[in-house]
Amino acid sequence: GQQLNQSPQSMFIQEGEDVSMNCTSSSIFNTWLWYKQDPGEGPVLLIALYKAGELTSNGRLTAQFGITRKDSFLNISASIPSDVGIYFCAGPYGNKLVFGAGTILRVKS
Amino acid sequence: DAEITQSPRHKITETGRQVTLACHQTWNHNNMFWYRQDLGHGLRLLHYSYGVQDTNKGEVSDGYSVSRSNTEDLPLTLESAASSQTSVYFCASSEGAGSPLHFGNGTRLTVT
Repeated sequence: GQQLNQSPQSMFIQEGEDVSMNCTSSSIFNTWLWYKQDPGEGPVLLIALYKAGELTSNGRLTAQFGITRKDSFLNISASIPSDVGIYFCAGPYGNKLVFGAGTILRVKS
Repeated sequence: DAEITQSPRHKITETGRQVTLACHQTWNHNNMFWYRQDLGHGLRLLHYSYGVQDTNKGEVSDGYSVSRSNTEDLPLTLESAASSQTSVYFCASSEGAGSPLHFGNGTRLTVT
């Protein structure tokens, strides 16, 4: 089935640093979604992208829909301790959503 | 506010037992999904439903079944629990095909 390759697998950064992660697909997507999962909870939608080249921000988070429609990027600026969690990319495959394996983010304060 | 609720939050069972995990949503969504989450694998789709009486197999459906008798509920049943089914299970719902999912808070299942 369709797989999304998400990288890096994990990051351990200093508070205040910027974070970048990305997701690639072997096929074209018309939608890219980014979710965050806090420890002990279910994933929550952060940003949805619906158009190639689209750049969307949500506070300190910025996500981009790649021009090729096969990739997407998520950036977090000036990280804080509550940014800790697992970040997932997702995209529709047929009538379902497929997810990347996630990027585990840890922040040192 | 609309929500999606999973129960129990934690469950320990023995190998071979039948286990049912509950999922209830008040979004009035037609689409409901069950995923399992394991380290290194992300979220893998077990079963999904697009409406009452509709059920479909996902990528890892063996050993699991679901039923959809009403809009609000999609219980997940493990017919004969195996240690390989120790995992965290998430239920989700969405408004339409490919729409963003709303997730429950998960059920942590341990099979001993």
